[in-house]
Amino acid sequence: GQQLNQSPQSMFIQEGEDVSMNCTSSSIFNTWLWYKQDPGEGPVLLIALYKAGELTSNGRLTAQFGITRKDSFLNISASIPSDVGIYFCAGAGGTSYGKLTFGQGTILTVHP
Amino acid sequence: SQTIHQWPATLVQPVGSPLSLECTVEGTSNPNLYWYRQAAGRGLQLLFYSVGIGQISSEVPQNLSASRPQDRQFILSSKKLLLSDSGFYLCAWTQLGVAGELFFGEGSRLTVL
Repeated sequence: GQQLNQSPQSMFIQEGEDVSMNCTSSSIFNTWLWYKQDPGEGPVLLIALYKAGELTSNGRLTAQFGITRKDSFLNISASIPSDVGIYFCAGAGGTSYGKLTFGQGTILTVHP
Repeated sequence: SQTIHQWPATLVQPVGSPLSLECTVEGTSNPNLYWYRQAAGRGLQLLFYSVGIGQISSEVPQNLSASRPQDRQFILSSKKLLLSDSGFYLCAWTQLGVAGELFFGEGSRLTVL
């Protein structure tokens, strides 16, 4: 089946630093999404990308849909303590709406 | 606006006991509904999805079952829990035509002892 390789697995950064994480796949996806999960809660959608090459921002977050449709990255600028959590990439292909393939997550820790 | 709720939030059950987790969606009609399991705070595994009342697709063979008795209600069940059923269970929904944008419930933490 489809698999997503998400890296890094974890990050420990100082408040104010920028963060970058990425996902790669051996398969093509039509949609890339980035979610954030706070401890003990369900993931929340941060950014959705629908076109190869698309670059989208949401506040301090920026994500791009790779031109090959097999990768995506998420950048967080000027991190703050509330950025702490697990970030997941997810890909969707064809008409399988909602049947997402998830990466294993990046655990982000921000030190004040 | 659309909302999704699942309950109970936490559950501690002995091995061999039954399970029922419920999920409801409000503010939309005919959603696609999903049950995911998350082990050890990491990756999400799709267990079941449903595109309509009474229509259930299973993604992985397992000790669990799902049912959709009403349009906006999705239930995850087991007749006899195993230790390996422990985990964080997440219900999610998406609307047809909105590619891939899943919205998750708050999650249910199941511990099987």
